[in-house]
Amino acid sequence: QVTLRESGPALVKPTQTLTLTCSFSGFSLTTSGMSVSWIRQPPGKALEWLARIDWDGDKYYSPSLKTRLTISKDTSKNQVVLTMTNMDPVDSATFYCARDCSGDWCSFDYWGQGTLVTVSS
Amino acid sequence: DVVMTQSPLSLPVTLGQPASISCSSSQSLVLHGGNTHLSWFQQRPGQSPRRLIYKVSARDSGVPDRFSGSGSGTDFTLQISRVEAEDVGVFYCMQGTHWPYTFGQGTKLEIK
Repeated sequence: QVTLRESGPALVKPTQTLTLTCSFSGFSLTTSGMSVSWIRQPPGKALEWLARIDWDGDKYYSPSLKTRLTISKDTSKNQVVLTMTNMDPVDSATFYCARDCSGDWCSFDYWGQGTLVTVSS
Repeated sequence: DVVMTQSPLSLPVTLGQPASISCSSSQSLVLHGGNTHLSWFQQRPGQSPRRLIYKVSARDSGVPDRFSGSGSGTDFTLQISRVEAEDVGVFYCMQGTHWPYTFGQGTKLEIK
């Protein structure tokens, strides 16, 4: 059974760095072809893909946010960490992690419940 | 970035009636090998997105067969043959052919 769960602070101040953790089970990031992606959704708005990390360590970022994002993995803990620097109120959103992979069958087939992050002083 | 444009953005439907959502991409989503990475997601109120369809027309396990996906190139459609109350929510298309992945703006389905 595949599950993902996001965790992190609910509130961050402007200019601070946000660190979110995606803890998952039911699959491994040591398996060839497996990946985890991060997606965000501002309140009442559409989904926006942010970053992806592959089983072999390859990383992909949204070009518009690339300078602010860092994705990493800890395969021993089955965790993926996303950091976003220089947070601004417009970055307030629900952040999701989802299973991703090189094959369509497992790409975004499982999502976490999301974690709401508010940026405010 | 590939722009995904959905229509309509609001879709009021009578229970038991069909519904259709269109999704157009600014570039062809067909890869050299012939695969097309186009998926559909449903987001019920207060819930995480749930994948319904992948690779244009492959339905996920547990998804009712009243949902179907079709299309090719730059134009895609999600059809619901008979809308039920549990279908209320926002539907998104997403392309995974070109980096970065991009989503449509979402189509809100409500019951008339």
